[in-house]
Amino acid sequence: DAGVTQSPTHLIKTRGQQVTLRCSPKSGHDTVSWYQQALGQGPQFIFQYYEEEERQRGNFPDRFSGHQFPNYSSELNVNALLLGDSALYLCASSLAGLAFFGQGTRLTVV
Amino acid sequence: SQQGEEDPQALSIQEGENATMNCSYKTSINNLQWYRQNSGRGLVHLILIRSNEREKHSGRLRVTLDTSKKSSSLLITASRAADTASYFCATDVPPKLSFGAGTTVTVRA
Repeated sequence: DAGVTQSPTHLIKTRGQQVTLRCSPKSGHDTVSWYQQALGQGPQFIFQYYEEEERQRGNFPDRFSGHQFPNYSSELNVNALLLGDSALYLCASSLAGLAFFGQGTRLTVV
Repeated sequence: SQQGEEDPQALSIQEGENATMNCSYKTSINNLQWYRQNSGRGLVHLILIRSNEREKHSGRLRVTLDTSKKSSSLLITASRAADTASYFCATDVPPKLSFGAGTTVTVRA
């Protein structure tokens, strides 16, 4: 049984560009959450998707958007990248409240 | 701002010793969870303790929860080099987890 998988593992983008990160949840999980983890900090909640709808959003600007597909996989899109968006982006899938995390995508904005 | 705060920020111990780290949080919770992260990779779930539980064990891990003090502790007994990692507490207020900044544990051989 594959766990939560994220792609790509590493990514380098230039300021102002747009990026799409992808997440496949653990088998049987229908809820996907995205977190941003800056260096030396704990993960910060971006938003959660359930039944293809954004259920709740953290304190992130509209440049951060997402989508969930019928197969429960999800994408995180970030527009107009800033240097401060450099971080590890973690996807978590959950069922009955227990969250399992992927290995993350390391985004570097130069 | 982050809901949970871990203490200490960093901990260095000898292999075989015990490691204790604490977590304080601000608001009422349903559950509290502890995670481990190795070298900036993904988070590995260690243990979940419900708000009506006071203590829970899993292998070499012991977690306590004091809801009156809004605090939790994680004890790792008989530490090993492989326990070197960052440890995070996360308060579970659905639908999101709120993490502290973590405790970095280094186990010296």
